[in-house]
Amino acid sequence: DVKVTQSSRYLVKRTGEKVFLECVQDMDHENMFWYRQDPGLGLRLIYFSYDVKMKEKGDIPEGYSVSREKKERFSLILESASTNQTSMYLCASTPGGGTDTQYFGPGTRLTVL
Amino acid sequence: ILNVEQSPQSLHVQEGDSTNFTCSFPSSNFYALHWYRWETAKSPEALFVMTLNGDEKKKGRISATLNTKEGYSYLYIKGSQPEDSATYLCAFKGSARQLTFGSGTQLTVLP
Repeated sequence: DVKVTQSSRYLVKRTGEKVFLECVQDMDHENMFWYRQDPGLGLRLIYFSYDVKMKEKGDIPEGYSVSREKKERFSLILESASTNQTSMYLCASTPGGGTDTQYFGPGTRLTVL
Repeated sequence: ILNVEQSPQSLHVQEGDSTNFTCSFPSSNFYALHWYRWETAKSPEALFVMTLNGDEKKKGRISATLNTKEGYSYLYIKGSQPEDSATYLCAFKGSARQLTFGSGTQLTVLP
């Protein structure tokens, strides 16, 4: 079974803090994704990566950056957290090679005060 | 940004009822349509990936149909059970490399 883990289930930070959300997958998947989920808006793609050290912007990259130094790990960074970044953050991975089925982590619910 | 819409936004049904909901997506540049189930406090899990117009997929009491020409997919649940309570997400894959998700249908099955 593919396992995607995220570093925290719940996180509370203060405005202006630098926040790191970590995601690790254990099935040697090529592709990794970061989404945020807000009520009524569905999953919105923040950033994705198709290879180590490679990243592409999704639909809502503003205020975020990412890092993929190793194949299994994809980090989402909030350089200076703001209250409008309070959300549920989901990490996902896919094997690549034309297989798009997403394997999701359990999510991190981030609250920025 | 592509427009993928799901309706209804939420739904309450009695145990044993059958139900269905809709996903609408662009009818051009179609590659695939995904359905996921997201139970509270769990990770979203894939139900179906559909690629061909007229496709029908089934998993137990859940089935889905696909019409790529008119840009919609239906998800059906027969004889709903409380364990079917979840948010059901559809996601469209077009010419872009990534999926575009709808906002989901939140299903509550009342015992």
